[in-house]
Amino acid sequence: DIVMTQSPLSMSVTPGQPASISCKSTQSLLESNGRTYFFWYLQKPGQSPQPLIYEVSYRFSGVPDRFSGSGSGTDFTLKISRVETDDVGVYYCMQSSQFPITFGQGTRLEIK
Amino acid sequence: EMQLLESGGGLVQPGGSLRLSCAASGFSLNDYEMNWVRQSPGKGLQWVSSISGTSTFYTDSVKGRFTISRDNSKNALYLQMNTLRAEDTAVYYCVKRRQRLFDIWGQGAMVTVSS
Repeated sequence: DIVMTQSPLSMSVTPGQPASISCKSTQSLLESNGRTYFFWYLQKPGQSPQPLIYEVSYRFSGVPDRFSGSGSGTDFTLKISRVETDDVGVYYCMQSSQFPITFGQGTRLEIK
Repeated sequence: EMQLLESGGGLVQPGGSLRLSCAASGFSLNDYEMNWVRQSPGKGLQWVSSISGTSTFYTDSVKGRFTISRDNSKNALYLQMNTLRAEDTAVYYCVKRRQRLFDIWGQGAMVTVSS
């Protein structure tokens, strides 16, 4: 199984400041078709998870451009350029390169 | 608007069975791979099972106990859960997958396995 490891597991950020979350996989997620099936999700308090980023760096429909994804192979990063109060929740990375589909442990973002 | 609505959750004793249902609206379930993802209380997300065409996939811990299926005439997805264990206690989400992305999530159904 591919293990996804996130860091940090929690963070407290002042509104307007940037934030960054790292996710590392135990195997490369680059496939022979040139695509990398790595994703970021946000689970806001009391809600179901919602997609943020697909295939490393593409923002899902409606996601503000404050969110950006980068990385390749086994190392990936989610960046929020200026954190807002609405960004509170738990961020998960996920790979769907192979079954079983696996998630990172989650990173809880709180507002200072 | 595409939506998923789970039902069938509840309290069941260890060793018991439960069937979750997921009703889709705004799209045809048959056109997409469908999944179940669960979240134990206070914990992270765990993929449970997928169905694509006639192919099914399961995480190791539920193989032989859970069965995913769908009824295209009812536009519904199911998860039959047998021989339930305490560690199966979780919120179960019905999730649509498009081009490997989990793009539509239901609101979740709580399953509690306890005596």
